[in-house]
Amino acid sequence: NAGVTQTPKFQVLKTGQSMTLQCAQDMNHNSMYWYRQDPGMGLRLIYYSASEGTTDKGEVPNGYNVSRLNKREFSLRLESAAPSQTSVYFCASSGQGYEQYFGPGTRLTVT
Amino acid sequence: DAKTTQPPSMDCAEGRAANLPCNHSTISGNEYVYWYRQIHSQGPQYIIHGLKNNETNEMASLIITEDRKSSTLILPHATLRDTAVYYCIVYRARSNDYKLSFGAGTTVTVRA
Repeated sequence: NAGVTQTPKFQVLKTGQSMTLQCAQDMNHNSMYWYRQDPGMGLRLIYYSASEGTTDKGEVPNGYNVSRLNKREFSLRLESAAPSQTSVYFCASSGQGYEQYFGPGTRLTVT
Repeated sequence: DAKTTQPPSMDCAEGRAANLPCNHSTISGNEYVYWYRQIHSQGPQYIIHGLKNNETNEMASLIITEDRKSSTLILPHATLRDTAVYYCIVYRARSNDYKLSFGAGTTVTVRA
């Protein structure tokens, strides 16, 4: 039981490049989330998916798109990366109990 | 969701109990109190949650005052591995809305 896994662990992009962050959970959870955490700051919600087939914007959705591929997988795409998107990205999932379980994070640097 | 207030930092001696306060004076009757922690560079970790009764699990105890306007997370025997940022979050689960709002939290440093 791996919980929540994220790939890649680290990534460096140049301004304007695109990439997709992958997230998968094996806990049969309905809901999944993407957060970002800037240095010394708390987490901010980017997008979430309450159930398979639905996605909704969080606090800071601009510059991102998401896909809930199936119940297990929820991906985050940066179409044209900007230095302001340098951050640590965390994926999380939750079931009926509402407590969220987080992955190890992806550390992204945009130069 | 109600706003929470936590001290920015606190120290604790290894082996002693760590008592982390949280104020949530505007909490509504159907809002839960959740605690998470984030050890350096790792993803946040769920600790415990409660509505009005005190709760205990293998990690911690949660004491909620009778008026529910404040709560205390207790780590009974703090270890160096408990050094982390602790987040108190008040949250009401709505249909298709499970968003958590993380604030600044309390940075807890456990000292040998």
